[in-house]
Amino acid sequence: GDSVTQMEGPVTLSEEAFLTINCTYTATGYPSLFWYVQYPGEGLQLLLKATKADDKGSNKGFEATYRKETTSFHLEKGSVQVSDSAVYFCAFSNTGNQFYFGTGTSLTVIP
Amino acid sequence: EAQVTQNPRYLITVTGKKLTVTCSQNMNHEYMSWYRQDPGLGLRQIYYSMNVEVTDKGDVPEGYKVSRKEKRNFPLILESPSPNQTSLYFCASGMAGYYGYTFGSGTRLTVV
Repeated sequence: GDSVTQMEGPVTLSEEAFLTINCTYTATGYPSLFWYVQYPGEGLQLLLKATKADDKGSNKGFEATYRKETTSFHLEKGSVQVSDSAVYFCAFSNTGNQFYFGTGTSLTVIP
Repeated sequence: EAQVTQNPRYLITVTGKKLTVTCSQNMNHEYMSWYRQDPGLGLRQIYYSMNVEVTDKGDVPEGYKVSRKEKRNFPLILESPSPNQTSLYFCASGMAGYYGYTFGSGTRLTVV
């Protein structure tokens, strides 16, 4: 069935380090792909999205490229900050009605 | 300010006592949905609604009810809560799923 698999955490990085959070999906058709971020005590916020193959979503220095051939949508950032500490969720939507979320990856950035 | 508002933020209740968690959005979105978030399981969809009077089950609908009588409101009803419904609940809305959802701040429910 449809599902999302993302890198387990927690991930701890030093400030200015490079970040990669892996995400792969299993879906029929051509889903839209998303990354959401959840800061402590808050709801999820849409971080970036891509709606077709080879699209690159970007926001706040984060990037992810829709790779249909590998069914992946890895999140990257070149230089993380303490303020990036949060839980990151990969997700996709196949029909527009149902979203499938990964289990989330907790990131802590230390000064 | 465009937002999804859930109430209450925190709720402790006893087994079997009916409760309602309210959700309201001011963005005229057609799509609304409820999720629960549990450690190690991520977010799981409970119910969703594509428009007024149109609702459908998500992945974990057992023990929950919803209604969509107005476009802006999508309450989640637990007729007889049980301890396994202790969780963090999120309401979300959107124009269409392909554009992503806007999430509420969450309701932390504890059933004892």
